[in-house]
Amino acid sequence: AQSVTQLDSHVSVSEGTPVLLRCNYSSSYSPSLFWYVQHPNKGLQLLLKYTSAATLVKGINGFEAEFKKSETSFHLTKPSAHMSDAAEYFCVVSGGYGGSQGNLIFGKGTKLSVKP
Amino acid sequence: ETGVTQSPTHLIKTRGQQVTLRCSSQSGHNTVSWYQQALGQGPQFIFQYYREEENGRGNFPPRFSGLQFPNYSSELNVNALELDDSALYLCASSLWGASIDNEQFFGPGTRLTVL
Repeated sequence: AQSVTQLDSHVSVSEGTPVLLRCNYSSSYSPSLFWYVQHPNKGLQLLLKYTSAATLVKGINGFEAEFKKSETSFHLTKPSAHMSDAAEYFCVVSGGYGGSQGNLIFGKGTKLSVKP
Repeated sequence: ETGVTQSPTHLIKTRGQQVTLRCSSQSGHNTVSWYQQALGQGPQFIFQYYREEENGRGNFPPRFSGLQFPNYSSELNVNALELDDSALYLCASSLWGASIDNEQFFGPGTRLTVL
């Protein structure tokens, strides 16, 4: 069965400093992995996705994530935090195999706070 | 914006009542999934509809049911509401078979409060 574990429930950084949000996954086959962001009172927005192509995935707004099979990790990073990055971030694994079938399995989320 | 719309935005019901939530898919998408997001938690998969039939279900009781219409819009129905049903309900649309990665596009959600 597939699962994800977000290692930090809350991360606080200063504006202009690097961001690291940690995620470990468990999957019985080569997974599809995603990071979604949720701003207050807004829907979920896809930041980036990994689908067994390049292990370093670049997303929107300067975010990127690296798939490390040996460590079963998919950590999200950004070189320099901006105030607008403050939000809830979810690491997600696809519960299905192939096509658009199956469910998405979400982590519990990491709340990112950005201090001026 | 994903093009997925949901109605209503907010809803207040009392315990024991029934509720219907609605979702319009992004243009060109034929698959709809519903998720429940309790306060402070990640979304949990309720079920998915494809070709107007349920195609996969999470760990939710039968009082959670759904419909998908020929235009691919969808409804989520919850009977005999319980206090724990209070949550943000998210609809996500996708195109079956379009990609191997199961990318889904989410609507803004319906906030349901059960008193």
